Amino acid sequence: QVQLVQSGAEVKKPGASVKVSCRASGYTFTSFYIHWVRQAPGQGLEWMGIIDPSDGGTNYAQKFQGRVTMTRDTSTNTVYMELTSLRSEDTAVYYCARSKRNFDYWGQGTLVTVSS
Amino acid sequence: QSVVTQPPSASGTPGQRVTISCSGGSSNIGSSTVNWYQQLPGTAPKLLIYSNNQRPSGVPDRFSGSKSGTSASLAISGLQSEDEADYYCAAWDDSLKGPVFGGGTKLTVL
Repeated sequence: QVQLVQSGAEVKKPGASVKVSCRASGYTFTSFYIHWVRQAPGQGLEWMGIIDPSDGGTNYAQKFQGRVTMTRDTSTNTVYMELTSLRSEDTAVYYCARSKRNFDYWGQGTLVTVSS
Repeated sequence: QSVVTQPPSASGTPGQRVTISCSGGSSNIGSSTVNWYQQLPGTAPKLLIYSNNQRPSGVPDRFSGSKSGTSASLAISGLQSEDEADYYCAAWDDSLKGPVFGGGTKLTVL
């Protein structure tokens, strides 16, 4: 069965970076895009960007350009999302989600807390 | 503030039919299909409706979707207590070059 398993919760100080992983299984890794979506406490869903695991191509939401990097490792079927220069407003649950035309499978989410 | 608008809340009693609206523009809903996601408390979102009105395997036929122009709606008939959740619409946005989510609607079953 399709699974997206994310890394565990992180606590970071303002100005630091965080790298969240998303390991895919149960399907052909290179056949589906992976998106990252975040959700601040009590807030809605916010799209951050997309990576094509077949060639590593990326497209980031303008809001995050310059601070986010998405990469993939085809040997382990894992996608990574790194966010730099963290601030308190980046405290959120970060989800990876698989897609072709819709997000049909989601990871369990990774809570990133930014606090001094 | 999202470019796609949903009412922040909706409610109904068990057995009732409720609808949730989703309003966008020509660069998103007007030029793309709409998907709906259900997020139960403390869990990841789940695909509920795709391509405006299609249900993934396992989603009860109590859930239905429609789209007209730059608006879409989700209908839930025979409301059940387990339907209490947050519901999000989403569509590709040509201007943003990415998907855009509505702000979400919290459904309460009274």
